Formats: sequence, structure tokens, C-alpha cells
Amino acid sequence: DTAVSQTPKYLVTQMGNDKSIKCEQNLGHDTMYWYKQDSKKFLKIMFSYNNKELIINETVPNRFSPKSPDKAHLNLHINSLELGDSAVYFCASSVLLAGAKETQYFGPGTRLLVL
Amino acid sequence: RKEVEQDPGPFNVPEGATVAFNCTYSNSASQSFFWYRQDCRKEPKLLMSVYSSGNEDGRFTAQLNRASQYISLLIRDSKLSDSATYLCAAPTQGGKLIFGQGTELSVKP
Repeated sequence: DTAVSQTPKYLVTQMGNDKSIKCEQNLGHDTMYWYKQDSKKFLKIMFSYNNKELIINETVPNRFSPKSPDKAHLNLHINSLELGDSAVYFCASSVLLAGAKETQYFGPGTRLLVL
Repeated sequence: RKEVEQDPGPFNVPEGATVAFNCTYSNSASQSFFWYRQDCRKEPKLLMSVYSSGNEDGRFTAQLNRASQYISLLIRDSKLSDSATYLCAAPTQGGKLIFGQGTELSVKP
């Protein structure tokens, strides 16, 4: 029943590996996001897709590549993982309400630890 | 000036106390603002939206001061279960949502 779901919930991997995180939302929203929350709890946007099209691409290393096969899914692939990639990655989705009143709903997060 | 900035925490208050957090924003064109609650090791969850001067929901009141460009969150009669980190968020001119660094609240018995 989870509105925004992510897999895996935990990911422990070695430096240099490539990994993917998947996100799905069943809210019928048009827009999906990836956020990174570091150890200092700062929640920073990485990417945003609207109807499968990339609309926000923050200053993120190109080792991070999002992919949206359809508007209900937004995956994040990370190449050549580095220690600094360790963080919690949250997926979110939203719908643009009347008057630009947009509310975002978050997935449970993927806790990535790079060793 | 940071795009969205919150009161530094942590706030340690006794049960039953009233506590208020402030959040300043830099985009004067922002029309909507949000307070999220984040429990330890959980995702942020929407607590309240603020579109005009304010919003009230039970013990929680959010107010918007456009002239001074800040929003506030007031929690009355604090409960132990209110202990969490409270994040405010405001949209930028580019349309993305920017979150503050969060304010940690700890309600003690």
C-alpha cells in the first residue's frame, strides 16, 4: 500500500562498484525526484523528472544517472561508487496542484553505505 | 543568504510546553511553503502546507510573514511523540523545492 516505494532499503557495497536504486509511485503523480540526505541531515535535490523527462539536474557527478521508464518509475544508477556517496537517498513524487501548490511525498529511503 | 534557513536546534522542551520554530526564505516570489516532520531513520512526511497567511491543524499552527520572508511553526501542548526533526521547504524561482537544514525537537517527560 506504500504510495512511494524504494528498493533496496539498505545497500552496502564496495568502492568502485555500480549499483541501482529503484523507485515506484502509485499516486498517479507526474513528477518524481531523487534527493540525497547526508550525515548532517541536509536534504538536497539531485534530479527531477516530469512525465519521463528530466527537468531538474543539480550539480551531481555524472556517475549518477537517473532513468524514468514511465511516469510511475524513477531509477537511479550509480557508477564507480565512492565513499562520499554514502548517504540516504530518498525518492519523492508530486503533482502540481492549482496555483502551483505542489506537495511532495517521500519514499522510505535507501541507506547506502560504501566501504 | 541561504535559500531556506531554519533555527538551529536542538530544542529541548518539557511535555506540555509551547515551542516555535522559524524558517526564513530568500525567494520573495514563493507562493507555497511546507513543514515536514522527519523521525529518526525515516522519510520526511508532510505536516502542514502554508499558502496564505497561515494554517492551523490541532496543536500545530503555521504562519507566514511575507514582509519579513519567514514562516513559523508553533506546537502547543507538546507531546513526547512530537520529538522529531522539523524541516521547512520553499520553492525556488526555478520551481524546485529547497529544504532547510531541519530543527531537532526533543520533548522530555
